[in-house]
Amino acid sequence: EIVMTQSPATLSVSPGERATLSCRASQSVSSNLAWYQQKPGQAPRLLIYGASTRATGIPARFSGSGSGTEFTLTISSLQSEDFAVYYCQQYNNWPLFGPGTKVDIK
Amino acid sequence: QVQLVESGGGVVQPGRSLRLSCAASGFTFSSYGMHWVRQAPGKGLEWVAVISYDGSNKYYADSVKGRFTISRDNSKNTLYLQMNSLRAEDTAVYYCAKDHRWGPIAVAGNYFDYWGQGTLVTVSS
Repeated sequence: EIVMTQSPATLSVSPGERATLSCRASQSVSSNLAWYQQKPGQAPRLLIYGASTRATGIPARFSGSGSGTEFTLTISSLQSEDFAVYYCQQYNNWPLFGPGTKVDIK
Repeated sequence: QVQLVESGGGVVQPGRSLRLSCAASGFTFSSYGMHWVRQAPGKGLEWVAVISYDGSNKYYADSVKGRFTISRDNSKNTLYLQMNSLRAEDTAVYYCAKDHRWGPIAVAGNYFDYWGQGTLVTVSS
């Protein structure tokens, strides 16, 4: 059974700074990993799929990397609208989400 | 544009039933697998179930297997989730979500490119 973990649980960042979020799978999921952004009271929004491909309409400041068991979501210069919770999801098997990383304002 | 609108949530007693609906528009509904994903208050996301584009295949998370049934009516562009024997731990916002790919579903490859706004189900006496 795959277990997904994300770190840190909370990341405090100043606007304009870079944010680096980590996601780890307990066994290899190849590149079958997606990232979602969720703001309070809203549905999740797909950001990244295939570990590194931006979804339609997602700004270039969002980038994903990794394969196998270690993945990273980087937001190059945080904008006010980027403060949210970010979830990774593996789809190498039935969908399974990580517990999320909250990015808040420092 | 793609729209998914859930309805049917509410407060229900433990052991009772509830049926959720999700009305889809803006894409060829009958060509895509569809999912239900839930989120307990203040918690993370949990995949619940998937149904193939034609309704012939259905898969469930272990936590709901035998109690929940996913179905669809392609003539009405609507997805359903019949929830029976509800428990307190089923309390959550339930989202319907579109699979990114058209055609048959498989164990691998399921991620979600569009989501509805969610409907809240509260199981409480």
